[in-house]
Amino acid sequence: GAGVSQSPRYKVAKRGQDVALRCDPISGHVSLFWYQQALGQGPEFLTYFQNEAQLDKSGLPSDRFFAERPEGSVSTLKIQRTQQEDSAVYLCASSLALAGVDEQFFGPGTRLTVL
Amino acid sequence: QKEVEQNSGPLSVPEGAIASLNCTYSDRVSQSFFWYRQYSGKSPELIMSIYSNGDKEDGRFTAQLNKASQYVSLLIRDSQPSDSATYLCAVRGGYQKVTFGTGTKLQVIP
Repeated sequence: GAGVSQSPRYKVAKRGQDVALRCDPISGHVSLFWYQQALGQGPEFLTYFQNEAQLDKSGLPSDRFFAERPEGSVSTLKIQRTQQEDSAVYLCASSLALAGVDEQFFGPGTRLTVL
Repeated sequence: QKEVEQNSGPLSVPEGAIASLNCTYSDRVSQSFFWYRQYSGKSPELIMSIYSNGDKEDGRFTAQLNKASQYVSLLIRDSQPSDSATYLCAVRGGYQKVTFGTGTKLQVIP
């Protein structure tokens, strides 16, 4: 079956530009997560959705970061006025989120480079 | 203190040996524990999940959990060069948020 997909796979932006990153979770997965991974580090939590509800956005580094999942499936992470420190791999993961089953499965990621 | 701690390595083991990867966590109410493998330039791939104290085996992999000591480990038996990767320990606390360690780089020497 299809896994988590993300697009674009690579994005180069000039400082100050806005970017939008898309995530298509595994069909039927209720929970969706966004992570930021810097080189040599583990993924850092950004935000979490259960269906269309954003239940935790404590990891978003600034108000330039915004995420949505309006219909409870596809999600978009938007970064406004990109800065060089935003350069990282952005990972999306989804989970079935049934009782006792909370394993997360990752997409291939979007590598964002801000010049 | 980091929430999830791992030795960054590299951990070098000869082919065919047992690789032992360790992880400690700080949140006592943590409920779910995961090991992911990440090859360079790729996204994390789930290897094992463990939820209760003791051992859980899946093929060449064994996850061990000790909640009293706040410790989780991964053993890889008969290590192969293809096992060379970074192994990420991940812990879910009382809510859905999962916290990852920085990963341990494993090198299996042929």
